[in-house]
Amino acid sequence: ETGVTQSPTHLIKTRGQQVTLRCSSQSGHNTVSWYQQALGQGPQFIFQYYREEENGRGNFPPRFSGLQFPNYSSELNVNALELDDSALYLCASTGSGNSGNTIYFGEGSWLTVV
Amino acid sequence: GQSLEQPSEVTAVEGAIVQINCTYQTSGFYGLSWYQQHDGGAPTFLSYNALDGLEETGRFSSFLSRSDSYGYLLLQELQMKDSASYFCAVRDFDYKLSFGAGTTVTVRA
Repeated sequence: ETGVTQSPTHLIKTRGQQVTLRCSSQSGHNTVSWYQQALGQGPQFIFQYYREEENGRGNFPPRFSGLQFPNYSSELNVNALELDDSALYLCASTGSGNSGNTIYFGEGSWLTVV
Repeated sequence: GQSLEQPSEVTAVEGAIVQINCTYQTSGFYGLSWYQQHDGGAPTFLSYNALDGLEETGRFSSFLSRSDSYGYLLLQELQMKDSASYFCAVRDFDYKLSFGAGTTVTVRA
């Protein structure tokens, strides 16, 4: 149990639609990051938020966007869904200082785009 | 950017020892982490090395050589429940992780 919760756990969307995924980070963790994991691959970094500001972004197009709220929970939004967006989306929360050495992942949201 | 190499598959019998190697090329390095992931599950943190040397946590140990850009995860006394994918990941100073493609470990009776 990592204390990181994500919703929904599974969802199916149609190409062109929009989706919002949600994450509640571990208590006291002010950094939240999102990863995309396609089948058979390692997670790929999408972006990261620290105290409600985006402070890092991977190689993903602008239709991937996010938010972090004052309670450090977060959302990942994907617009104009494409078939290749089908993947497991993972949220990770990180503390500060030495506790940042351990990055905890939620169970993920499985997105299928048809 | 970051580039990590690890073997794609390893098979071993119960009770054996398995070593998963990871080499990396990075533009920024703060530490090397290892994660375990069972089918359909979340990556679970196993270990983290920021300094050279061996870290031991129960049956799992992890090693890092920063000068060689190399690390490994050692799984001892293998059990059936250790069958999973194992990922090495470089952590940069901003806590971002860059993952390898993963090593599938299969434990046979």
